[in-house]
Amino acid sequence: DAGVIQSPRHEVTEMGQEVTLRCKPISGHNSLFWYRQTMMRGLELLIYFNNNVPIDDSGMPEDRFSAKMPNASFSTLKIQPSEPRDSAVYFCASTGGAANQPQHFGDGTRLSIL
Amino acid sequence: GNSVTQMEGPVTLSEEAFLTINCTYTATGYPSLFWYVQYPGEGLQLLLKATKADDKGSNKGFEATYRKETTSFHLEKGSVQVSDSAVYFCALSRANQAGTALIFGKGTTLSVSS
Repeated sequence: DAGVIQSPRHEVTEMGQEVTLRCKPISGHNSLFWYRQTMMRGLELLIYFNNNVPIDDSGMPEDRFSAKMPNASFSTLKIQPSEPRDSAVYFCASTGGAANQPQHFGDGTRLSIL
Repeated sequence: GNSVTQMEGPVTLSEEAFLTINCTYTATGYPSLFWYVQYPGEGLQLLLKATKADDKGSNKGFEATYRKETTSFHLEKGSVQVSDSAVYFCALSRANQAGTALIFGKGTTLSVSS
């Protein structure tokens, strides 16, 4: 089975540019999570969706960040405008079913804002 | 509220040494508990899990037992290998709530030398 697929794997862009990160969850999973990982702050939950509906976005750092899930097989995380402090590895994860089911993570997008 | 506390790293061991990484949690109800591993440049992978008290999760020589009386889920391995060098995360999911976010510890870096 295909795992969680994220694109791009690496992104380097200049401050002020719009950045869009993409995620395809595992087929049949109905919950999707976006995380950010930095050396300073560790792994932070940004937002998660159940059945394509955003449930908790309290981890989104500010209004420059937005996330959408237009259907069960696709989600985007957008940063506009981007800033150097947004540089991090962004992970997407998905899960389905009961509370004891684990989350499956993608390989992440390494984002560098110059 | 729910939380996870892991021992701080880094943990540095020689090959074939015994490994323990401590993890304690605070939670209401009966959460499920997980250990994830992150190898350099990759996403998090599920290592093992336990869903109720006294359950023992095991995988690849790693073990952890769900201890409700001490609210702990310590990770152990009898003989580590260089290939075990990675970051290890303890996590819990809220009891009986499907599709909710995991709560992660800050991660413990393990470095094994030959």
